[in-house]
Amino acid sequence: RKEVEQDPGPFNVPEGATVAFNCTYSNSASQSFFWYRQDCRKEPKLLMSVYSSGNEDGRFTAQLNRASQYISLLIRDSKLSDSATYLCVVNKRTPLVFGKGTRLSVIA
Amino acid sequence: NAGVTQTPKFQVLKTGQSMTLQCAQDMNHNSMYWYRQDPGMGLRLIYYSASEGTTDKGEVPNGYNVSRLNKREFSLRLESAAPSQTSVYFCASSEAGGLGGYTFGSGTRLTVV
Repeated sequence: RKEVEQDPGPFNVPEGATVAFNCTYSNSASQSFFWYRQDCRKEPKLLMSVYSSGNEDGRFTAQLNRASQYISLLIRDSKLSDSATYLCVVNKRTPLVFGKGTRLSVIA
Repeated sequence: NAGVTQTPKFQVLKTGQSMTLQCAQDMNHNSMYWYRQDPGMGLRLIYYSASEGTTDKGEVPNGYNVSRLNKREFSLRLESAAPSQTSVYFCASSEAGGLGGYTFGSGTRLTVV
């Protein structure tokens, strides 16, 4: 089983839609979790950390299920500017382990 | 605040040539990393330096060497470039342990012909 697995997509959604990405990780000792965003031909940038209690940042909600070793990212009211690749990231110590990413295209 | 600076941004090498990719961070981070990113492969760790004076191999270290010159700078060297090393290279830095996530440089696009 790969350390971090994501559905590669692409997810093609209309503006205003709600879209959810899922990610599973293999190491139950993992300590910290993140979602990164990567625009085409750019570097990855931290979108949000993922906490055990779940957390929200505007239109973005991240959830963690340690029992199932599962992380999710929900984007509400999608904007054209949300089009990017979203990387699930897990840390059991150093260094971080990156998923291959899920590509999102928001269509007008 | 520059964050993580990588040079050069683009490079074309001939097979067998050598070069050094430079990386510097101004965030006083302890840890630094070199990744390569290829289509369909995601980010793969080449080498990392948990703290000044230490370096460790990552997932794909063959064909590369690194130097942690000081706390700010972490360089990646290709001694004899091969076409398989054509990739986008990203340097990143973090606080010790990476619990706060990484900050990435803007990348170096390397083509080996």
